[in-house]
Amino acid sequence: KQEVTQIPAALSVPEGENLVLNCSFTDSAIYNLQWFRQDPGKGLTSLLLIQSSQREQTSGRLNASLDKSSGRSTLYIAASQPGDSATYLCAVGGTGGGADGLTFGKGTHLIIQP
Amino acid sequence: KAGVTQTPRYLIKTRGQQVTLSCSPISGHRSVSWYQQTPGQGLQFLFEYFSETQRNKGNFPGRFSGRQFSNSRSEMNVSTLELGDSALYLCASSMVTPGTDTQYFGPGTRLTVL
Repeated sequence: KQEVTQIPAALSVPEGENLVLNCSFTDSAIYNLQWFRQDPGKGLTSLLLIQSSQREQTSGRLNASLDKSSGRSTLYIAASQPGDSATYLCAVGGTGGGADGLTFGKGTHLIIQP
Repeated sequence: KAGVTQTPRYLIKTRGQQVTLSCSPISGHRSVSWYQQTPGQGLQFLFEYFSETQRNKGNFPGRFSGRQFSNSRSEMNVSTLELGDSALYLCASSMVTPGTDTQYFGPGTRLTVL
């Protein structure tokens, strides 16, 4: 059974810092890995999707990497801003022809101090 | 393009009642997935529908059921509600395959069972 772990569970940094969020998964047979952000009481917003054949994806100040063989992914946030404060969730899309639901980690609660 | 919509946004029910939640996917998306989010368990996959057929189901009791209509709109039903069913229920849509396509989430329905 796929398990996804995110470290750290919570992180508080001053504005302007670069930071890295970590995600690990136990079964490397994945179709893709997605990073989401969730604001309090809201749904999830997709940030980046990395297919299993890719090594990284970039969008603005965000960069996500994927190392399938070691079961790890990182989300790098450059020049953090208070608006980046949210919970960041990592999710892997598994086998079953891709119809399996995503398996999520518990998230990293990020606070950017102004 | 309109996003994923869920109705109602908030529900309060008592133990033993049943509830129906509704989800309208992004236009053109044919796959709809449902997730339950609780503080203790995080996000857990309930089931996924494509072309009115349930393709996959998570590890939830039979009290949780769903269906999809010909216009891709989906409903989920929970019968004989228990206190532990209190959660944020999220719906996500994707083009065809949730394991390979980006999933777009709705704002969720907050269910409180008293």
